[in-house]
Amino acid sequence: AQSVTQPDIHITVSEGASLELRCNYSYGATPYLFWYVQSPGQGLQLLLKYFSGDTLVQGIKGFEAEFKRSQSSFNLRKPSVHWSDAAEYFCAVGGGDDKIIFGKGTRLHILP
Amino acid sequence: NAGVMQNPRHLVRRRGQEARLRCSPMKGHSHVYWYRQLPEEGLKFMVYLQKENIIDESGMPKERFSAEFPKEGPSILRIQQVVRGDSAAYFCASSPWGGRFRDTQYFGPGTRLTVL
Repeated sequence: AQSVTQPDIHITVSEGASLELRCNYSYGATPYLFWYVQSPGQGLQLLLKYFSGDTLVQGIKGFEAEFKRSQSSFNLRKPSVHWSDAAEYFCAVGGGDDKIIFGKGTRLHILP
Repeated sequence: NAGVMQNPRHLVRRRGQEARLRCSPMKGHSHVYWYRQLPEEGLKFMVYLQKENIIDESGMPKERFSAEFPKEGPSILRIQQVVRGDSAAYFCASSPWGGRFRDTQYFGPGTRLTVL
């Protein structure tokens, strides 16, 4: 069965520091992978997605993610965070049965 | 171009009442998806609809829950005889072409249902 694990429930970084949010998935075939961001009281916004091809995916707002098949991971990175990046981030996986499975999310806190 | 609209944003119901949640997809989108988000959880798929058709309702509880997307008007998620466990945020998403993950889904702001 498909599953997504986001090991970190909360992450705190200083403004201007680099960021990496972890995501591990379980899926039998080539997965389709997504990162979404949810600001308080808002819906989800797609940051980036991986379907095939280059394993380093560029997204909006300066985010990128790297698909590593050997590690079943799709970690999200940003070289320098801004206070406006404080939000909850969800990793998700989709596959041949046409369903999207979301992780439980990682809440990002930014220190000034 | 307005985004996905959901109303109400907050809904309070007493146990046993009915809850109706509305979703107006983005203009030109004919595919709608409903998700439920419980506290401290990710989103869980409930149902996928196209105009006048339910494509996949495998994530929706068999009892008390129903969804529709009529030819005219918004999509409706209906919860009959609500219980405290129904308290959650319900999100609607829409997409123009379908294929749940190939096609980017645009999410609404959600309806937060509280059952007293």
